[in-house]
Amino acid sequence: QSVLTQPPSVSGAPGQRVTISCTGSSSNIGAGYDVHWYQQLPGTAPKLLIYGNSNRPSGVPDRFSGSKSGTSASLAITGLQAEDEADYYCQSYDSSLSGLFGGGTKLTVL
Amino acid sequence: EVQLVQSGAEVKKPGESLRISCKGSGYSFTSYWISWVRQMPGKGLEWMGRIDPSDSYTNYSPSFQGHVTISADKSISTAYLQWSSLKASDTAMYYCAKIQPTRGMDVWGQGTTVTVSS
Repeated sequence: QSVLTQPPSVSGAPGQRVTISCTGSSSNIGAGYDVHWYQQLPGTAPKLLIYGNSNRPSGVPDRFSGSKSGTSASLAITGLQAEDEADYYCQSYDSSLSGLFGGGTKLTVL
Repeated sequence: EVQLVQSGAEVKKPGESLRISCKGSGYSFTSYWISWVRQMPGKGLEWMGRIDPSDSYTNYSPSFQGHVTISADKSISTAYLQWSSLKASDTAMYYCAKIQPTRGMDVWGQGTTVTVSS
């Protein structure tokens, strides 16, 4: 059971918008620690998708966006494409500066 | 190009020891922490711990404290993850990643598969 809670799966048709939630607590996200998001395509290493709650690294399409409020964060993907089918993970820290991952969300593009 | 290159796949027996490596290049190795992440077959990512290569200060997840050792040799820009006595439950893919302060884990190694089986 991960400390950061994500839905196990989400799905959407091409072109649609989906969101993935990441729920923590006052000991991690709610304590002010940044949330980062990673995309893991099948059989590959994870890739940084969103850092510092809402920032995109160079090369990440602006279809991907992140937000944070209180003890939760969200990843939104607009204009879904088949290539977005992957596992998505949120990540933050707790008060002991130990890293935390969400359990991961499998995105299926219908 | 900034990259982390990990050592190759390992097949070990229970009770054996193991050290896998992660070599950084294309950046100042001592300026950024390195973390290790476990992914068991078909499962999610688990943060194991991290090391500051400049002084080898480490920070472990409570779940992994005492079960693994993270170290680094800054003279050869390499971080290590070590087990003294492997168990079948250590079978997993292990990733190292460079931590950019406030910017997450921005560069990942390709992963090292560890298989522990009698």
